Amino acid sequence: GNSVTQMEGPVTLSEEAFLTINCTYTATGYPSLFWYVQYPGEGLQLLLKATKADDKGSNKGFEATYRKETTSFHLEKGSVQVSDSAVYFCALSEGAGGTSYGKLTFGQGTILTVHP
Amino acid sequence: KAGVTQTPRYLIKTRGQQVTLSCSPISGHRSVSWYQQTPGQGLQFLFEYFSETQRNKGNFPGRFSGRQFSNSRSEMNVSTLELGDSALYLCASSLAGAQDTQYFGPGTRLTVL
Repeated sequence: GNSVTQMEGPVTLSEEAFLTINCTYTATGYPSLFWYVQYPGEGLQLLLKATKADDKGSNKGFEATYRKETTSFHLEKGSVQVSDSAVYFCALSEGAGGTSYGKLTFGQGTILTVHP
Repeated sequence: KAGVTQTPRYLIKTRGQQVTLSCSPISGHRSVSWYQQTPGQGLQFLFEYFSETQRNKGNFPGRFSGRQFSNSRSEMNVSTLELGDSALYLCASSLAGAQDTQYFGPGTRLTVL
């Protein structure tokens, strides 16, 4: 079946540091890939997405490139802020049909803490 | 547009009781998916509904069920609650499921005592 693996957390950084959170996936078809962020006590917010190989998703300074050859979708940000402290989830959506409808497969989440 | 709303936000129940959670999708979205989030198991897919039909189901016991109404609002029900059902239940809506982007509600925090 499909699976998503994220780097172990927690990740602790100082403000303005560079962020990378690794994400690799296993899928049988051509999935869409997503990064979601969850702030304490809230649901998940879409951060960015990519729907095909070599696509780059970007939002709020975060970027991730869909690498089919390495089955990866690593999240990066050049300069993190305290307000970026949250839990980040990598996810894939397989597509239409059978056991794929409406199903996101998530990684285990990476806790990010940014200190002033 | 209003986002996905879920009610109630918090629930406390005792073992053996049943509970119903509600989800109102973004206007125009016809697909609603439900997820369970726990510290140990992470985010797990429960089921998905589209046009009042369940199209997909995750690996959960039959105590977990759901339905969708003609206005796309969805409910999920858990019968005979167990302590392990304590979790954050999230619903997400999308235009038509498949690979459409899913937008999540704030969740319902269920505590089973």
